[in-house]
Parts: sequence; structure tokens; C-alpha cells
Amino acid sequence: NAGVTQTPKFRVLKTGQSMTLLCAQDMNHEYMYWYRQDPGMGLRLIHYSVGEGTTAKGEVPDGYNVSRLKKQNFLLGLESAAPSQTSVYFCASFERDRNTEAFFGQGTRLTVV
Amino acid sequence: DAKTTQPPSMDCAEGRAANLPCNHSTISGNEYVYWYRQIHSQGPQYIIHGLKNNETNEMASLIITEDRKSSTLILPHATLRDTAVYYCIVRVPSGGYQKVTFGTGTKLQVIP
Repeated sequence: NAGVTQTPKFRVLKTGQSMTLLCAQDMNHEYMYWYRQDPGMGLRLIHYSVGEGTTAKGEVPDGYNVSRLKKQNFLLGLESAAPSQTSVYFCASFERDRNTEAFFGQGTRLTVV
Repeated sequence: DAKTTQPPSMDCAEGRAANLPCNHSTISGNEYVYWYRQIHSQGPQYIIHGLKNNETNEMASLIITEDRKSSTLILPHATLRDTAVYYCIVRVPSGGYQKVTFGTGTKLQVIP
């Protein structure tokens, strides 16, 4: 049981390049979330999903797109990376109708130069 | 989801109890209080949660006031490994779209 796995763990992009971050969970969770964390800051919600085929905007959605084509995967895309998107990205998942905790991945450290 | 307010930082002597407060004055009747911590730049780790009764597990205790407008996370015997940022959040465990948001948390420094 791997829990929540994020791919890749590290990445350096040039301004204007695109990339996709993958979050995969093997716990059959309905809810999945993408957060970003800048140095010395808390986690800010980018986008989230409450089920396969559904997504919604969080606090800081601009410059990002997401897709949830399969229940176990939540993809975060950057179409044209900017230096302001340099951050650590965390994915989380948890069950919808149970009083349980969220499970977090170990993060993706992205640098845009 | 209700907003939470936490002090930005706290110190605690090793071996002593660490009491971390959280204000959630706009909490709704069906929202639970959750606590997580983040060590260095790792993914946040679940600690404990509760609705209105005090809760205890192997890591910590959670004290929720009777009016549920605030809570306190207690680490009974803090160790150096408890140095981390602690987040208090509130959420409804079921139904609908939920923006589960984290604030900036409390940075706990355990001092030798």
C-alpha cells in the first residue's frame, strides 16, 4: 500500500515550458487536492476534485489546469511555466463520507528559471 | 469551511508539555477540527481530530472548548523531533464540494 505518490519529486523548468505533475493514490479515495507551498508559507489550495471527472478551483488556480480522468490519479498541469510558480507542490487525498484524515504525498519541488 | 487562527510561533522546553492553541470562532456544528504537522519540507502528517469531545491518541491530546470556538493541541512530553509547523483546520467530513484550506500554522521550536 503506497498511499499517495507524487511524480516527479524534483524538476527544473525554463520559463514558458509546460509540464504535468502526477498524483496517484491507491486508497480508493474520492477527494484529491493540489496545494503549493512557498518558502516560509503555509499550504495554499490550487485545485481540487471530489470525484472522477470533476474538478474545482481553489485559492490560487491561475496558471494551472487539472484533470481527474481516473479516480486514482489527479494531474496538475502548467501550460506555460513562470518563475512565480517555483514552489513545492503537495497532493492530498481522503475519503468523502468518512471522518478520516487526509493523506499527503511527499511533494514535488519545482523550480522555474 | 471555517477559518482558523493560530499564533505564528511558539517555543517549548524539551520534556515539557506543548500547548498549541487554535481559534475557529466561525466553526459550524458539523465541522470537525483536525490537526496536522509538517516537519521540514515533508508532506503534512495527520495528528488528531475531534468534533466536540476531547480526544487522545498516542501522539497528542485535543481539547475543544464547550462552545467549540477554539481548541488546544497538547503534546504531553515534547521532544526535539516534535519541532515542526502545526496546522489546525476545520472541515465537514462528508458531502459536496469542500475547500479544505490550511493557514500558515504555528512553528513550534522544541528547545533542549
